Amino acid sequence: NAGVMQNPRHLVRRRGQEARLRCSPMKGHSHVYWYRQLPEEGLKFMVYLQKENIIDESGMPKERFSAEFPKEGPSILRIQQVVRGDSAAYFCASSPDVGNEQYFGPGTRLTVT
Amino acid sequence: DAKTTQPTSMDCAEGRAANLPCNHSTISGNEYVYWYRQIHSQGPQYIIHGLKNNETNEMASLIITEDRKSSTLILPHATLRDTAVYYCIVRVNFGNEKLTFGTGTRLTIIP
Repeated sequence: NAGVMQNPRHLVRRRGQEARLRCSPMKGHSHVYWYRQLPEEGLKFMVYLQKENIIDESGMPKERFSAEFPKEGPSILRIQQVVRGDSAAYFCASSPDVGNEQYFGPGTRLTVT
Repeated sequence: DAKTTQPTSMDCAEGRAANLPCNHSTISGNEYVYWYRQIHSQGPQYIIHGLKNNETNEMASLIITEDRKSSTLILPHATLRDTAVYYCIVRVNFGNEKLTFGTGTRLTIIP
């Protein structure tokens, strides 16, 4: 049973470009969570999605960031017009239902130059 | 979610039991105690969770005090691969799905 998959593992973008981060949850999991870890800081919750629905986006920056989890395909975290401060590790987690433990992917390391 | 307090760092000799404490004095009756760890810069790894009874799985044991204000994660026979940052998280299981990570305890296993 494959774990949570994230791609790309490393992403380099110039300031002003767009970054798209993909997350495929574990088989049978319909709940997806995105977290961000800035350099030398802790993990911070960004957004919680179920298929086709955003349930909790309380941790998402108000501008430039969006997330989706379509009926078919992976969850996408999209960052428009990236800035240097967006450089971080972005982790995706999934769970089979509410109230369950979350299983994390290996992360995508975004570097903005 | 209730706040947790953990020591910043700990050392443990290889082969010995590692006991990681966590205080959560403001925990409410419907909040669970979860433990995760992050090895180097990998994704966090779920270890164990519990409500009020002690729990054990293939990775660790979780001891929760009777008043639930503190808990201890026990790694029975620590190996070098257990070197990681360990996070104690308190969370209701329904109605608030996000995990709130603190600064955790940096556990170093000494050869």
